[in-house]
Amino acid sequence: DAGITQSPRHKVTETGTPVTLRCHQTENHRYMYWYRQDPGHGLRLIHYSYGVKDTDKGEVSDGYSVSRSKTEDFLLTLESATSSQTSVYFCAISADGGLTDTQYFGPGTRLTVL
Amino acid sequence: GNSVTQMEGPVTLSEEAFLTINCTYTATGYPSLFWYVQYPGEGLQLLLKATKADDKGSNKGFEATYRKETTSFHLEKGSVQVSDSAVYFCALSDPSGTYKYIFGTGTRLKVLA
Repeated sequence: DAGITQSPRHKVTETGTPVTLRCHQTENHRYMYWYRQDPGHGLRLIHYSYGVKDTDKGEVSDGYSVSRSKTEDFLLTLESATSSQTSVYFCAISADGGLTDTQYFGPGTRLTVL
Repeated sequence: GNSVTQMEGPVTLSEEAFLTINCTYTATGYPSLFWYVQYPGEGLQLLLKATKADDKGSNKGFEATYRKETTSFHLEKGSVQVSDSAVYFCALSDPSGTYKYIFGTGTRLKVLA
């Protein structure tokens, strides 16, 4: 299994509070991704990174920011959480981001915003 | 834009039944196609993939063939087991060069003993 951990695994927070989710990898892969999973939507890309300090927006980036200061860590921040951001968040990694490249997923973080 | 359409679930089968989960896609260019499986409470795991037309991906008794003429990548297994109960996602890699996947909405499979 690819070495990907996510923390925390579960979090309950209140509307308006900031939240940071962490993804850590031990594979030295260049690309890292944050997705959210919601019923009826499958997985949707929030942000991705193609190197240290290099990030770009995905399909559903509003209300989220990311940072990558080291190859192994990719942080997702909700500056002011809203109930619509209640979801399961998955981090993924891939070696080179090419069309044939495989993405490997972490175990997920279940976030509930009250 | 690029998209993936999967058959809606849930799909309920008896053990040893034949499984087909339909997946069709829309894409410009030449994407790679993937099937991922998600067991309860876990992340997604790659099940199989195919990177060009007419390729067949296979793993753990599951198979899928990349059909460019019908833009399909249907997942099949000849004899399902209770342990195959999970959610299955079809995905494609985006040929526009933005290094991202597009996922279907997932199909839940329940296999009864």
